[in-house]
Amino acid sequence: QSVLTQPPSVSAAPGQKVTISCSGNSSNIGNNYVAWYKQVPGTAPKLLIYDNDKRPSGIPDRFSGSKSGTSATLGITGLQTGDEADYYCGTWDSSLSAGVFGGGTKMTVL
Amino acid sequence: EVQLVQSGAEVKKPGESLKISCKGSGYSFTNYWIGWVRQMPGKGLEWMGIIYPGNSDTRYSPSFQGQVTISADRSISTAYLQWSSLKASDTAIYYCARHANYGLVDCWGQGALVTVSA
Repeated sequence: QSVLTQPPSVSAAPGQKVTISCSGNSSNIGNNYVAWYKQVPGTAPKLLIYDNDKRPSGIPDRFSGSKSGTSATLGITGLQTGDEADYYCGTWDSSLSAGVFGGGTKMTVL
Repeated sequence: EVQLVQSGAEVKKPGESLKISCKGSGYSFTNYWIGWVRQMPGKGLEWMGIIYPGNSDTRYSPSFQGQVTISADRSISTAYLQWSSLKASDTAIYYCARHANYGLVDCWGQGALVTVSA
């Protein structure tokens, strides 16, 4: 059971938009920055979004992040087949004094 | 270019000890937290712990406290993850992870598969 809650799967057609939610509490998302990671099966994860809504260099603006209260959302527009992957949210949990991840969301492009 | 290069895959028996490594390059190793993330077969990411090589300050997830030891040798820019007595349930891929700050991994190693089987 992960500390952060994500939907197990989402799907959408090429060119469409999808959102992935990440729910936590005041000890983690509520008082800390959220990051999002993309993991193509068989490869290492990669940073997609940091500090709730910032994109590292090289990440296209099709990817966006937002946070409200104790929840965060990853948005992907103009879906491409290369976007098929597992997506994880992550943050710090001040009560645990540890990093925490969501359980991951498998994103399928139909 | 920031890089984390991990040691190779390991096959061990239950009860054996193991130490895997992660060498950082392209940045000041002593100025960033570096840690480990576990991914069991077919499962999600689990944060294990981090160490600050500059002063060896170490933090563990409660789930992994006492189960593993994280250390670092700043003279060779290398972090380690160590077990004293492996269990079959330790079978997983272990990723080395540089932290830009608490809870934010900005660079990942390639992963090391550890298989524990009798």
